[in-house]
Amino acid sequence: EDKVVQSPLSLVVHEGDTVTLNCSYEVTNFRSLLWYKQEKKAPTFLFMLTSSGIEKKSGRLSSILDKKELFSILNITATQTGDSAIYLCAVELRGTGTASKLTFGTGTRLQVTL
Amino acid sequence: KAGVTQTPRYLIKTRGQQVTLSCSPISGHRSVSWYQQTPGQGLQFLFEYFSETQRNKGNFPGRFSGRQFSNSRSEMNVSTLELGDSALYLCASSLRLGTTEAFFGQGTRLTVV
Repeated sequence: EDKVVQSPLSLVVHEGDTVTLNCSYEVTNFRSLLWYKQEKKAPTFLFMLTSSGIEKKSGRLSSILDKKELFSILNITATQTGDSAIYLCAVELRGTGTASKLTFGTGTRLQVTL
Repeated sequence: KAGVTQTPRYLIKTRGQQVTLSCSPISGHRSVSWYQQTPGQGLQFLFEYFSETQRNKGNFPGRFSGRQFSNSRSEMNVSTLELGDSALYLCASSLRLGTTEAFFGQGTRLTVV
C-alpha cells in the first residue's frame, strides 16, 4: 500500500526560528513529490520536486528531494506568524497511461508565535 | 483569472440522502480531481476526470461517483450518505492529465447528521 508519512505532526515555534518539515514515502510508480500549504481550506501549491538533490527555493522556503532514501524536507527560515498553517506533502503516482493521482500525508501543523 | 470554484461551500444532509457537489476548474484547465479531507485520514484521492472521462480512481465505495462536462466542469455525487462521509471535499484542477501543480478550490464542507 502506498504510504506518505510526515513528521512532526505539529510544531510550535517562535517567530524568527528556522523549521524543517519531513516527508517520507513508500510508493510504487513515483512521479513527483509536491508540497502544499493549507491555511483555511484550499491547499496552495508550494513546490514540485522530481529530481534528487536539486533544491527548489521560493523566498524563505526551500525544499529538496532524496529519491534514494525516499524522503523530502521543507525548510522555512526566519518564520513569521503568516507561516502558521498545515503543510501537506503529496506524492504523485503514475497511473494508467498519463493519468496520475496524489497521495497525501496527514500534514504537519505549524504554529508560529510572537 | 478566476480560481477553482466549488459550490456549495457548506452543506448539511441527513443519513441516507444523496448529495451533488460542483467544481468549476480554472479556465483552460481540462483535468479535475476530487479529494476527501477528514481529520483522521487526511486528504484522500477520490477520482480524476479529463475530457469527460474518469481516468483514475481512489479506494472509495461505489456510492461516490462523478462526471465531467464538455466545459470541464465536474460534479461529484455521493448517494446513501453515511455519518462518516462528513468531510471537506476538495476539487483540484490542472492544465493537463495528471495532478502536477494542481490548484485547489476552497472546498465544500459536508456534514451528515
